[in-house]
Amino acid sequence: QQQVKQSPQSLIVQKGGISIINCAYENTAFDYFPWYQQFPGKGPALLIAIRPDVSEKKEGRFTISFNKSAKQFSLHIMDSQPGDSATYFCAANHGSSNTGKLIFGQGTTLQVKP
Amino acid sequence: GAGVSQSPRYKVAKRGQDVALRCDPISGHVSLFWYQQALGQGPEFLTYFQNEAQLDKSGLPSDRFFAERPEGSVSTLKIQRTQQEDSAVYLCASSWTSGRKYEQYFGPGTRLTVT
Repeated sequence: QQQVKQSPQSLIVQKGGISIINCAYENTAFDYFPWYQQFPGKGPALLIAIRPDVSEKKEGRFTISFNKSAKQFSLHIMDSQPGDSATYFCAANHGSSNTGKLIFGQGTTLQVKP
Repeated sequence: GAGVSQSPRYKVAKRGQDVALRCDPISGHVSLFWYQQALGQGPEFLTYFQNEAQLDKSGLPSDRFFAERPEGSVSTLKIQRTQQEDSAVYLCASSWTSGRKYEQYFGPGTRLTVT
């Protein structure tokens, strides 16, 4: 059962453009939503995260927008650069869980063209 | 400081062999996680340790998978009688405290190929 659905599967953006990746979830008990960036041969790196009590969080060129009523959240990468080319994963954590188990989306492969 | 390290980085095993994968978490991190990442997929949770206690092993796919963290630091994931479907990247992650266990820092992973 896929609890976090991510789209698109792949994305091509021109340098300087905005990259947008979307995720949707069903379980309203989720209360922590991180985004991870993964380069080939590397482990996922925590990029930015949000809790459902805020609608937006910005760190540098990266912004998470969160829509609690729609159970959706998205990652926006402003002024996309070729170095941003990587696979991006959204994830969610079950608030009442005693563990920090993260449930990941399927991933989005981003290519930023020079 | 040093991040999470994993060894070996690559492992090829013949079907039926046992393998052991090692994880060295960031020093002082209380929580440790193992995930399995199939090719082209997101990581899937296997198990969670808080110090030496294994508090959640709900993601281990079968009783051939076993994890331990005897002294609350280094962890080993063992897979017995490997099968082809075990081929994947095994990721280890750690976090500071049980209260901030969501903020997980991943190692580079061990790519296991079962032939």
